[in-house]
Amino acid sequence: QKEVEQDPGPLSVPEGAIVSLNCTYSNSAFQYFMWYRQYSRKGPELLMYTYSSGNKEDGRFTAQVDKSSKYISLFIRDSQPSDSATYLCATQGYWGANSKLTFGKGITLSVRP
Amino acid sequence: SQTIHQWPATLVQPVGSPLSLECTVEGTSNPNLYWYRQAAGRGLQLLFYSVGIGQISSEVPQNLSASRPQDRQFILSSKKLLLSDSGFYLCAWSVRGLGDSYGYTFGSGTRLTVV
Repeated sequence: QKEVEQDPGPLSVPEGAIVSLNCTYSNSAFQYFMWYRQYSRKGPELLMYTYSSGNKEDGRFTAQVDKSSKYISLFIRDSQPSDSATYLCATQGYWGANSKLTFGKGITLSVRP
Repeated sequence: SQTIHQWPATLVQPVGSPLSLECTVEGTSNPNLYWYRQAAGRGLQLLFYSVGIGQISSEVPQNLSASRPQDRQFILSSKKLLLSDSGFYLCAWSVRGLGDSYGYTFGSGTRLTVV
């Protein structure tokens, strides 16, 4: 089992839709959880960051972590064509081998005008 | 503010030729530095990481090598490129320290095509 599994996609939604992106992880040592957004031919950029279970909201984006079930989600409300990108979840532990970021494979989202 | 520079943006190289990709970070000291490769459908693959000058850890045995001659400079090299070295190469940095995490900051990437 890979340490971080991400829904493979691709995903295509109409403008204004609510988007739900999901990942699961297997290592209970992971304590930090991130979502990166990557536009075509660009490097990933940090979109959301959290270290606790629960929800974290930033504008139209909400990151949700459930450590008990090892589940990570990103919700995008009122999706826009500019949200079309690849989204990668990532997790990280405190130290040692777990201190390096472990990424999901990414899911490509397309928001249709 | 911290910035990361990576060049070139695009590179087409023949099989068997050497490679040198450079990455520099500004506005921070003692960063952790990383080289990733991203291939279609395979996600981000960590190639090398460095916690200090001259300290390189290799994650995947391959045709590539890395060096860190200065605190904020990270170089990815190959003596002879293979077709399988084609991909999108990304440099990243992070704050060094146990128990702290602010994620990684990535450069803009180099798209390498080996022909």
